[in-house]
Amino acid sequence: AAGVIQSPRHLIKEKRETATLKCYPIPRHDTVYWYQQGPGQDPQFLISFYEKMQSDKGSIPDRFSAQQFSDYHSELNMSSLELGDSALYFCASSDRDRIFNYGYTFGSGTRLTVV
Amino acid sequence: GQQLNQSPQSMFIQEGEDVSMNCTSSSIFNTWLWYKQDPGEGPVLLIALYKAGELTSNGRLTAQFGITRKDSFLNISASIPSDVGIYFCAGQLLAGNMLTFGGGTRLMVKP
Repeated sequence: AAGVIQSPRHLIKEKRETATLKCYPIPRHDTVYWYQQGPGQDPQFLISFYEKMQSDKGSIPDRFSAQQFSDYHSELNMSSLELGDSALYFCASSDRDRIFNYGYTFGSGTRLTVV
Repeated sequence: GQQLNQSPQSMFIQEGEDVSMNCTSSSIFNTWLWYKQDPGEGPVLLIALYKAGELTSNGRLTAQFGITRKDSFLNISASIPSDVGIYFCAGQLLAGNMLTFGGGTRLMVKP
């Protein structure tokens, strides 16, 4: 079965650089979510999109932005990177109406290291 | 904001033993999810619970959605070495909402 695809898997950036993370949700899933997980922490919600519109907003810094495109893939843009942004970034998708299998499913994540 | 208290934080057990972990919340959730996460990987959904009082099994895993909608437990029977990992509970208020995660239970299994 198709899963949530994230790219890249690993990314190393310097302070003050920008980074773009990509997410391809499970086909026919209508909601995409972004989470940040620091070392030894549980995942923290950043932002979500439902049918290409921003749905919920969590603890996402102003330096970060995200969008969902017409093909339903989503991108998380991170600017002015700080050392504290080093973390695992996960994308997840779900079918809100549980028509095509609800499965709140996570991708394998992007490990961002800021040096 | 909503918080989930997950316990225990860690467990070190012998292969073949049963395991139990639970989550409690100060407020109601309408969906409870249990995930397993291996190092450097994304959380993998184990069991999803949608109704208060629901008891669901998935192989050696059994989970229940508390009747008050403020708690859930996960049991693993006859543990094996590949059960090692971090188990997270997660609550969701409404479909399409964010998940609130518990702090995780790190399970270690001694062969």
